Amino acid sequence: GAVVSQHPSRVICKSGTSVKIECRSLDFQATTMFWYRQFPKQSLMLMATSNEGSKATYEQGVEKDKFLINHASLTLSTLTVTSAHPEDSSFYICSARASRYNEQFFGPGTRLTVL
Amino acid sequence: ELKVEQNPLFLSMQEGKNYTIYCNYSTTSDRLYWYRQDPGKSLESLFVLLSNGAVKQEGRLMASLDTKARLSTLHITAAVHDLSATYFCAVARGTGNQFYFGTGTSLTVIP
Repeated sequence: GAVVSQHPSRVICKSGTSVKIECRSLDFQATTMFWYRQFPKQSLMLMATSNEGSKATYEQGVEKDKFLINHASLTLSTLTVTSAHPEDSSFYICSARASRYNEQFFGPGTRLTVL
Repeated sequence: ELKVEQNPLFLSMQEGKNYTIYCNYSTTSDRLYWYRQDPGKSLESLFVLLSNGAVKQEGRLMASLDTKARLSTLHITAAVHDLSATYFCAVARGTGNQFYFGTGTSLTVIP
């Protein structure tokens, strides 16, 4: 099956710093990648959709200047949380999709804790 | 706005019993997915349902899709402790195949 990795798996940072999370499709080329956020005991909320080589499309209520998404290649997307604050602490999960698949493949997630 | 609701939100059941989790969604879609999530982990794909009337079974779990009623069910047969987890349905929408997740059902199977 298709494999998606995320790095780091866990990160702790101070308030006001920026954090970059990488999402890679390891054995397929992902035409589209998605970023989700999940707060404890809640569902996954779609933050944005990114297509390789174009600007990400953000869901309503998600600040594009705070959550910078770059999809520079068909196997890599990055999410940068800029000037992180404690309320940004969450579990961030990416997924990737290739046009030949009818489903998304999810990464293992990154737990962000902002002190 | 697409809404995806699951019920129940919490389910505690004894081993050996049967139960059904329901997933209702508010707008048209013919693609629905079920996932399992263990605490602190990401999602494990269970079922991909791509057409009205689709039914899939794997072990003690069976999923179905009724696109006219905008309803999917996940049926658990003779539950075992290992099935304890949170189960999510997700509805696909849009040209980009965005997923919108249900509220989740936290299942605890009691020995």
